[in-house]
Amino acid sequence: EAQVTQNPRYLITVTGKKLTVTCSQNMNHEYMSWYRQDPGLGLRQIYYSMNVEVTDKGDVPEGYKVSRKEKRNFPLILESPSPNQTSLYFCASSPRTVGEKLFFGSGTQLSVL
Amino acid sequence: SQKIEQNSEALNIQEGKTATLTCNYTNYSPAYLQWYRQDPGRGPVFLLLIRENEKEKRKERLKVTFDTTLKQSLFHITASQPADSATYLCARGGAGTALIFGKGTTLSVSS
Repeated sequence: EAQVTQNPRYLITVTGKKLTVTCSQNMNHEYMSWYRQDPGLGLRQIYYSMNVEVTDKGDVPEGYKVSRKEKRNFPLILESPSPNQTSLYFCASSPRTVGEKLFFGSGTQLSVL
Repeated sequence: SQKIEQNSEALNIQEGKTATLTCNYTNYSPAYLQWYRQDPGRGPVFLLLIRENEKEKRKERLKVTFDTTLKQSLFHITASQPADSATYLCARGGAGTALIFGKGTTLSVSS
């Protein structure tokens, strides 16, 4: 089944403890992206990647890192999480960069205490 | 900066009626607009894409229009059902690589 898989689904952590949210897609998509969704603010892009080893900042990249060493995987790394990073996170992919629909993962609800 | 706005946060309608959701954009016309459905706690699911040279697109009970003069897209659900209750997101594309999303309109269809 074609899908974008994120793990974990829920995560509670404490300030400053490094964490990684994994994202994997099995559709051979070139483009992958991370979004965060907050009440009243909607979906905002954190980072995106147009292909392997190519990543770039979105609208809200501060406090996050990403890597794209393989086409299928695009992990989101929080080196030192803070409470303002408490949010619902979505990974998404599409075949190409422009003009294609996005396939979203099921989301990761992160709480930073 | 490019913006996209969904004017209504919430829309309540009766089953069987047509729901109409509005999406307005600023600055230059995007090459395309996309509409997604999102259920609580789940990832958005793609519904329709309309390009700027298309006036209207249909898929089953869904219809989307693109008016470059008004800088607006309308999303219609005909013969609405309680199962259509969800948040609907509009997103603009264009130059660059990011899809910019609106904040969404939450539709509630009562029986």
